[in-house]
Amino acid sequence: DGGITQSPKYLFRKEGQNVTLSCEQNLNHDAMYWYRQDPGQGLRLIYYSQIVNDFQKGDIAEGYSVSREKKESFPLTVTSAQKNPTAFYLCASRDPTRETQYFGPGTRLLVL
Amino acid sequence: QKEVEQNSGPLSVPEGAIASLNCTYSDRGSQSFFWYRQYSGKSPELIMSIYSNGDKEDGRFTAQLNKASQYVSLLIRDSQPSDSATYLCAATYNNNDMRFGAGTRLTVKP
Repeated sequence: DGGITQSPKYLFRKEGQNVTLSCEQNLNHDAMYWYRQDPGQGLRLIYYSQIVNDFQKGDIAEGYSVSREKKESFPLTVTSAQKNPTAFYLCASRDPTRETQYFGPGTRLLVL
Repeated sequence: QKEVEQNSGPLSVPEGAIASLNCTYSDRGSQSFFWYRQYSGKSPELIMSIYSNGDKEDGRFTAQLNKASQYVSLLIRDSQPSDSATYLCAATYNNNDMRFGAGTRLTVKP
């Protein structure tokens, strides 16, 4: 089955700790995205990558970092500099033939 | 500023009625438009895409686009309780930039 997977489903972070959210896709899509969703709000773009070894900051990149070493993988690290990390994190990849994005199941990050 | 605006709702309709969801966008350069459905605690799933002016129908769903008015809508006919969810409108700019509205929460009452 083709799709996007994210892990873990729930993640707990202690103060001062960096945590990494995993995103993997087997859709052979070049472009991948990370969004943050807060309760009652829309999706805000954190980072995106159009191709391997390249990525760009989105609207709210501060306190986050990414890498894109493989086409299939686009992990997001939430650093200790992100003071309010509690949110629902969504990874997506873009189908270039339909110009649309498909989402993984999401990771809910909570602060202890 | 590229923005997508939606009525936050909540919108409540009785079962079997037509639900009408509206969305406006600020940038005339927007090229493609999408409606996503998001159940509570789940990720968004694509239900409709529309690229040119007019109506596009898919089962009980109809998307309408009016580029002159910068307006997109989604009609859900014969609404079912299972349609209760938050509906996100999205518009793309330059293929790599997708902007989302805050979503409209729909409740279909049996």
